[in-house]
Amino acid sequence: DGGITQSPKYLFRKEGQNVTLSCEQNLNHDAMYWYRQDPGQGLRLIYYSQIVNDFQKGDIAEGYSVSREKKESFPLTVTSAQKNPTAFYLCASHQGRTNTGELFFGEGSRLTVL
Amino acid sequence: GESVGLHLPTLSVQEGDNSIINCAYSNSASDYFIWYKQESGKGPQFIIDIRSNMDKRQGQRVTVLLNKTVKHLSLQIAATQPGDSAVYFCAENMHSSASKIIFGSGTRLSIRP
Repeated sequence: DGGITQSPKYLFRKEGQNVTLSCEQNLNHDAMYWYRQDPGQGLRLIYYSQIVNDFQKGDIAEGYSVSREKKESFPLTVTSAQKNPTAFYLCASHQGRTNTGELFFGEGSRLTVL
Repeated sequence: GESVGLHLPTLSVQEGDNSIINCAYSNSASDYFIWYKQESGKGPQFIIDIRSNMDKRQGQRVTVLLNKTVKHLSLQIAATQPGDSAVYFCAENMHSSASKIIFGSGTRLSIRP
């Protein structure tokens, strides 16, 4: 089945460590997104990429980095510079040519800093 | 707009009644507005969208209304069922193609039996 796969589902990290969250899609979508969600709150945009080898900062990009070397993959690295990284991270994709806002989401990765 | 620092408001509805969830958006230049449903621990799922040149769109048991004058969006759910319990988010697509998609603050819908 086509979809978006995020891994790992749960991740624990010690302070000062970088961690990379994986996001893979087999929907042949052009655009991919990373959002952060804190408990009881909405989704905030970290980074997005409209095409391979190109990406833009969202509203809360500080302390995060991304790459888009392949169309199917958009990994997110949470660096030690991110002061409060414990959150639920959601990856999404968009076809890019349908002129709608429909995003397809993965099941999320929950990061906890110990 | 963003939901930084805000906790989700809650709407409690009797099973079988209609639910109306409201959202204020920030950018009058946005082209598309979308409603998503998020169940606990899962990623959001698309419900319905509406283009900025429309003021109403209907789906199965759902209706979205757009008032551009006051930058307000609403989602109406008819005959609310227990399975409708979730958090509902509105989102706006800033441009006509996939670009910066921003989510609103969200509303938690709970159903009373």
